[in-house]
Amino acid sequence: QKEVEQNSGPLSVPEGAIASLNCTYSDRGSQSFFWYRQYSGKSPELIMFIYSNGDKEDGRFTAQLNKASQYVSLLIRDSQPSDSATYLCAVLSGYSTLTFGKGTMLLVSP
Amino acid sequence: EAGVVQSPRYKIIEKKQPVAFWCNPISGHNTLYWYRQNLGQGPELLIRYENEEAVDDSQLPKDRFSAERLKGVDSTLKIQPAELGDSAVYLCASTPWGGSYEQYFGPGTRLTVT
Repeated sequence: QKEVEQNSGPLSVPEGAIASLNCTYSDRGSQSFFWYRQYSGKSPELIMFIYSNGDKEDGRFTAQLNKASQYVSLLIRDSQPSDSATYLCAVLSGYSTLTFGKGTMLLVSP
Repeated sequence: EAGVVQSPRYKIIEKKQPVAFWCNPISGHNTLYWYRQNLGQGPELLIRYENEEAVDDSQLPKDRFSAERLKGVDSTLKIQPAELGDSAVYLCASTPWGGSYEQYFGPGTRLTVT
């Protein structure tokens, strides 16, 4: 059973702070890793993906991958109240099959 | 470009009744997914289509769930008969092709079984 683990939260940070969201996965054969944002009552929206070990930056978002530790994280710099949402980690194993974690709820207070 | 379209957005039915959900993917997207998302959980794959072929239906409860994508475009997911535990959001997603991993989700159908 392929598993993706996330702390359910909520993770509370003040506006302007760095939010750090973490994810571990069980399948060493996993190839690609995705972060989705899901606002309450809405569908998931892809915000970042990473394939290689190291960091990948996109605006205020940085994804970090460590395949040896089976660990992927998402950093959100200068957090805004509009970033308040549930962040889903998803792992691609095999051909085109995503396994999602339960998500971490992020609350950014003004 | 229009996104993934799903209907209905909400559905309330009594247990043992049938229900059907419809999805129209983004134009040109050959790969279509149906997911189920329970409250407080991540989406779980039910079935994946490549054009009209169901290439991964290992997680589809085949005793009561069925799906079709006859012309390789829009798709229908059916539950018959529905059970209380089927209450969830049913999400449809699509990608341009199977090797493209960026899945675009529709707004979902929230099913409540009473």
